[in-house]
Amino acid sequence: DGGITQSPKYLFRKEGQNVTLSCEQNLNHDAMYWYRQDPGQGLRLIYYSQIVNDFQKGDIAEGYSVSREKKESFPLTVTSAQKNPTAFYLCASGLTSGPDTQYFGPGTRLTVL
Amino acid sequence: AQSVSQHNHHVILSEAASLELGCNYSYGGTVNLFWYVQYPGQHLQLLLKYFSGDPLVKGIKGFEAEFIKSKFSFNLRKPSVQWSDTAEYFCAAAENTGNQFYFGTGTSLTVIP
Repeated sequence: DGGITQSPKYLFRKEGQNVTLSCEQNLNHDAMYWYRQDPGQGLRLIYYSQIVNDFQKGDIAEGYSVSREKKESFPLTVTSAQKNPTAFYLCASGLTSGPDTQYFGPGTRLTVL
Repeated sequence: AQSVSQHNHHVILSEAASLELGCNYSYGGTVNLFWYVQYPGQHLQLLLKYFSGDPLVKGIKGFEAEFIKSKFSFNLRKPSVQWSDTAEYFCAAAENTGNQFYFGTGTSLTVIP
């Protein structure tokens, strides 16, 4: 069953703690993306990766970090430096790094208490 | 930076009514345009896309969109909505030579049976 998986679906953390969100894809896609979705603001790009061991900052990268050690995995770490981390996080992948269709995972809702 | 505007934030329609959701983008060059839909509890998925050619594109579930370059618009239409069309709709644009997608803030559609 091909697709993108994100875990966990809901995540709670205390303020000041780093937390890592998982994203895995078995679509053999080169490109992967992390978005943040807030009510009334749509999707905003955090980071993207076009190839293994390479990634680029999006519009709102401050307070986040990523790694791309394997083609199928693109974990996102929300650090304590992120001032407003409570949000819905979406991972996506694309066959190429160009502006073509992105395929989305189910998302992780992070709540920082 | 490029931006995408969706002017309808919440739309409520009765079944069989016609639908048109507005989308405008700011980039003056060549863009690829997309409409995504997020049904309640489901992943964000592609409805339709425009890269080039016929400006009237047809997507899944009877949706279509028209690219009007002079108006920087890519409005989504459906002649007769169904209750199952209740969802959130996102317009997105990506520069033809770029890697980043820009999403609108989304339109929440509620169809009343």
